[in-house]
Amino acid sequence: DVKVTQSSRYLVKRTGEKVFLECVQDMDHENMFWYRQDPGLGLRLIYFSYDVKMKEKGDIPEGYSVSREKKERFSLILESASTNQTSMYLCASSPGQGGNTEAFFGQGTRLTVV
Amino acid sequence: AQTVTQSQPEMSVQEAETVTLSCTYDTSENNYYLFWYKQPPSRQMILVIRQEAYKQQNATENRFSVNFQKAAKSFSLKISDSQLGDTAMYFCAPMKKGKLVFGQGTRLTINP
Repeated sequence: DVKVTQSSRYLVKRTGEKVFLECVQDMDHENMFWYRQDPGLGLRLIYFSYDVKMKEKGDIPEGYSVSREKKERFSLILESASTNQTSMYLCASSPGQGGNTEAFFGQGTRLTVV
Repeated sequence: AQTVTQSQPEMSVQEAETVTLSCTYDTSENNYYLFWYKQPPSRQMILVIRQEAYKQQNATENRFSVNFQKAAKSFSLKISDSQLGDTAMYFCAPMKKGKLVFGQGTRLTINP
C-alpha cells in the first residue's frame, strides 16, 4: 500500500515563527503536492513538485515556500507564520504525468498559529 | 483558475436511502479525468471513483456511480443503499495537467 506520512497531526506555533511541515511518501512517486483545506473553500493547491528540486506554484503560494531535495520528501515552509495561516494542511503524491493516476494523501496537519 | 462548484454544502439522509451529490466544473480541455474523494472524520482522503472524460459510459464502483454529462460539465455522484460509514465530506476533483482541482465539498451525514 502507498503510504504518505506527515510528520505531525497537530501543531501550535507562534506568530513570526518559521514552521516546517514534512511529508514523506514510500512509493517512488514523481509528483508531490501541498494543499490547504479550509471550511467552505475545499482544498487549494499551495505548491506542486514533479521532480527532485523542481517546484511549481499553485493557486495560493504567498507566504509559503517548499523544498524537495529527495524524491520521497516534500517540505512546506512558512517563513514567518501568521494567524491567517491557521488551517489544515494536506500532502499528497501521485505517480508521474498520467491523467488517470490517483493521488494518495497523508492524514493532514492541523496547524494553529497563535 | 479552473473552478469546481459543489452546490450542496450539507446533506443528510436516512440509512439505506439513495443520495446524489452534484458537481459542475469548467475546463477548456477535451480529454481529462475526474475524481470523487471522501474524507471521513479520520481526515484520511480516500478515492471513491474516477471517470475518464472520453468514455461515454458512466463509472460504477459497487454502491457508487456517477452521472457524467460532458457537454454540461456536470459530474454527480450517486450513493445507493447508503450506510453509516458513508458519513464524510465528499469532494469533486477534476484533474488538470496532473493536478487535482477541488470543489468546496459536501458534508454528507447518514442517519440511522
